[in-house]
Amino acid sequence: QKEVEQDPGPLSVPEGAIVSLNCTYSNSAFQYFMWYRQYSRKGPELLMYTYSSGNKEDGRFTAQVDKSSKYISLFIRDSQPSDSATYLCAMRGGGGGADGLTFGKGTHLIIQP
Amino acid sequence: EPEVTQTPSHQVTQMGQEVILRCVPISNHLYFYWYRQILGQKVEFLVSFYNNEISEKSEIFDDQFSVERPDGSNFTLKIRSTKLEDSAMYFCASSSPGGPQHFGDGTRLSIL
Repeated sequence: QKEVEQDPGPLSVPEGAIVSLNCTYSNSAFQYFMWYRQYSRKGPELLMYTYSSGNKEDGRFTAQVDKSSKYISLFIRDSQPSDSATYLCAMRGGGGGADGLTFGKGTHLIIQP
Repeated sequence: EPEVTQTPSHQVTQMGQEVILRCVPISNHLYFYWYRQILGQKVEFLVSFYNNEISEKSEIFDDQFSVERPDGSNFTLKIRSTKLEDSAMYFCASSSPGGPQHFGDGTRLSIL
């Protein structure tokens, strides 16, 4: 069983729509959860960083973590064409700062003008 | 805003040759990482480095690979005797204690 599952898409929505991106995971040791945005031929850019369960909001982005269901989500409000990119979820255990991240495969998002 | 910088952006090497990929982490970060992304696949963790030694490594990071912090600013990944399957994007990342990892834009490694 894969550790982190993420629908690769593509997911195509009209400009202004609310976007919902999700990941499921199997390792209950994961404690820190991240969302990264990746444009073509660029590195992952950090969007959200959360610890344990709960919600976190930053501008148009909201991250949700449900550890009981092993399910994390990223919501994008008022989506813009510039949001078109691949969105990667990533997670790590609660140990020291040098833990490697486990990534999902990424969801390719297209915002139609 | 501080950023992780990687050089070169693209490296082409003959199979069997050695390559060194270079990274300048964010200046006040203490943890350093290398990841690999084969085309169309997930970003995969290779190794983490703290206090001048390897902290954690994946099963991908075998004897072919080594890392070094040769001075106060650079962090390098060396791949000895490259193979065709080493062709990938290689990303460097850094973090502060307890903080998230920030990534560079990667080096595209092409093995011919």
